[in-house]
Amino acid sequence: QKEVEQDPGPLSVPEGAIVSLNCTYSNSAFQYFMWYRQYSRKGPELLMYTYSSGNKEDGRFTAQVDKSSKYISLFIRDSQPSDSATYLCAMNTGFQKLVFGTGTRLLVSP
Amino acid sequence: GAVVSQHPSWVICKSGTSVKIECRSLDFQATTMFWYRQFPKQSLMLMATSNEGSKATYEQGVEKDKFLINHASLTLSTLTVTSAHPEDSSFYICSARDFREPKNIQYFGAGTRLSVL
Repeated sequence: QKEVEQDPGPLSVPEGAIVSLNCTYSNSAFQYFMWYRQYSRKGPELLMYTYSSGNKEDGRFTAQVDKSSKYISLFIRDSQPSDSATYLCAMNTGFQKLVFGTGTRLLVSP
Repeated sequence: GAVVSQHPSWVICKSGTSVKIECRSLDFQATTMFWYRQFPKQSLMLMATSNEGSKATYEQGVEKDKFLINHASLTLSTLTVTSAHPEDSSFYICSARDFREPKNIQYFGAGTRLSVL
C-alpha cells in the first residue's frame, strides 16, 4: 500500500463547475499538507499549504484536511480551462522528505 | 512565492556524453535543494537531497557516480548526468527550500527534459 493514494483521473468537468480533488494517506504522523499544480512539461507550482487539520481558503481554492480520516481535499470553485493541469498532493511529518501522490489530471472544457 | 530557475529546459545529447543541469534560487538563499526525476504520467521520484557545502544524500537505488550533485553556494545546485544513456532520458526537476519559510515547503524549477540519443 502506498503512503499516499490519489486517483490519477482524468477528471473532466465543464467550465464553471466546482472541482473536488482528494488524497488519502496512511501515516498518521503527517502534519504538513500541500497541493501543487503542474502543467504539462513544467515544474510543480505550490498552490496551498496547510498545517494539521482544518480549512484554508485562497481565492477560488480551498484546502481541507481531516486528520481523523487521513483525508485531504482541494476544492476549485468556478473552474476555468486554464485550471486544466495535474494536481499533486504532498505531505510530510516536518523535516523529512515530501511524499507525493501520483497526481490527478484535471480537464476543464469551455 | 520564491522563484527557482532551472536551466536548460530541454537538452538532447549523444549516448556517452555528460550533461549538466543548473538550479538557482533567484530571490532567496536555499540551504537545501532537491533533485527529482519524473517519468510520463507519473509522480515525482526524489533522487537526492543537496545541502550547501556538504555531500548530497542519495535515495536508495540512485547511482551517485552516475548523477553527480554539487551545491557549492546558497543559490546554486547542479546535477550532472555522467555518461548518459537512452534510459536516462527523463524529466528532471529541482526544488529548493526557502530558509525563511516553514522547512517543509519546496519551490520547484520548471524542469529539464533530457533526451539521450
